[in-house]
Amino acid sequence: QSALTQPPSASGSPGQSVTISCTGTSSDVGGYNYVSWYQQHPGKAPKLMIYEVSKWPSGVPDRFSGSKSGNTASLTVSGLQAEDEAEYYCYSYAGSNNWVFGGGTKLTVL
Amino acid sequence: EVQLVESGGDLVQPGGSLRLSCAASGFTFSNSWMHWVRQAPGKGLVWVSHINSDGSSTNYADSVKGRFTISRDNAKNTLYLQMNSLRAEDTAVYYCARDQYYSNYYWGQGTLVTVSS
Repeated sequence: QSALTQPPSASGSPGQSVTISCTGTSSDVGGYNYVSWYQQHPGKAPKLMIYEVSKWPSGVPDRFSGSKSGNTASLTVSGLQAEDEAEYYCYSYAGSNNWVFGGGTKLTVL
Repeated sequence: EVQLVESGGDLVQPGGSLRLSCAASGFTFSNSWMHWVRQAPGKGLVWVSHINSDGSSTNYADSVKGRFTISRDNAKNTLYLQMNSLRAEDTAVYYCARDQYYSNYYWGQGTLVTVSS
């Protein structure tokens, strides 16, 4: 149950796009299309942004998009806005009713 | 509206026990898989445990296996986490979450557990 690997930080200017990677193994990210992404502002509960690699929950803007290639999933935030500044976590099913989070990426809007 | 409300967090001594509760409303609890997720102060999210809809299948992170027990009462729409042999490293905010599509689709606001002498 090793954590998925995310870069500790990412940044971009308003209006730009930024991509956050999430690297696992063939036993988790690469083995299932059950990768989800969460946004967490300080002191708040996490919020689901993407599920099943690339699907949006109701109410999440389509500026957020997800994809996967092999053992690496990615979250892209387009048209960066100030309110996108937050911590982002990936999460993957790892088989046998086990799940694993990434270590988190702090997104800074410059 | 889906609501998940955790309770039971407290200050407890190392080696002690605590039971967390998560009251669910706004959806059919008895049909839903549920999870516990925790977050130590200043750290990232960690998956802790999962339970299926009727409670017949449970799973745990290695770090809590043998010490924590997840359970549910579908008649009361309530999820539980019994935590025994608590350690300082168990100090965290504990969130309950409803599973949909193998993701944590809905989250509670969290309850703080502090393990310290």
